[in-house]
Amino acid sequence: DAGVIQSPRHEVTEMGQEVTLRCKPISGHNSLFWYRQTMMRGLELLIYFNNNVPIDDSGMPEDRFSAKMPNASFSTLKIQPSEPRDSAVYFCASSLSSGSQFFGPGTRLTVL
Amino acid sequence: DAKTTQPPSMDCAEGRAANLPCNHSTISGNEYVYWYRQIHSQGPQYIIHGLKNNETNEMASLIITEDRKSSTLILPHATLRDTAVYYCIATLNSGGSNYKLTFGKGTLLTVNP
Repeated sequence: DAGVIQSPRHEVTEMGQEVTLRCKPISGHNSLFWYRQTMMRGLELLIYFNNNVPIDDSGMPEDRFSAKMPNASFSTLKIQPSEPRDSAVYFCASSLSSGSQFFGPGTRLTVL
Repeated sequence: DAKTTQPPSMDCAEGRAANLPCNHSTISGNEYVYWYRQIHSQGPQYIIHGLKNNETNEMASLIITEDRKSSTLILPHATLRDTAVYYCIATLNSGGSNYKLTFGKGTLLTVNP
C-alpha cells in the first residue's frame, strides 16, 4: 500500500502565479480531505469530499482557492493567483466513510 | 466538535510510559475521542479512538473516564521516535458518512534518552 501520494513535495513560486497541488488517495477510500498547516494557524481543514462530491468547503480561505476531485483516485487544490500569505504545508488525507484519516507527506509551498 | 484542552508540552524518559491527558468536558454523547500525532515535518498519523470504553491497539491505550469528560493516551514504552505533537480531538463519527477533524495545538511530547 503506497499510502496517500502528494505532488509536488516542494513548490516555490512567485506571487501572482497559479499553483496546483495534487493528491492521490489510498485506493478504496471514499473520503478525501485537504488541510493547510502554518505556524500561526496550526492545522486547518480546507475542504473535504465524499464519493468525489465536495461536502464542506467552508474552510477554503477565499475565491483564489479551488479544489476538484474528477474521480476517486485524484484530486487537485489550485491557488490562482497565489500570494505570499498562502505559504504553508498543504496536506491531503483520505479515509473510508467513518474510518480514521490517513495523511500524505504534504506539499511545502513557498510563495515569494 | 467539543473543545479539548491539552498541556502544551510534556517530557518522558525513554522506556517509560508516557501518559498524555486531554480534557473534553463538553463532549456530547455521540462524539468520539480521537488521537493523532505529528512527527516533525510529516503528516499527522492516526493512533487510536474510542467512544466510552477503554481501547488498546499496537501503538497505544486510550483510557476514557466514566463521565467521558477526560481521557488519557498511554504509550506504554516510549521511544525516541515517539517524540511528536499529540492531538486529542472530539468529533462525531457518523458511521456511513465522513467526519471532520478540528486540530488544536496539541501536546509536544519529548522523549529523552
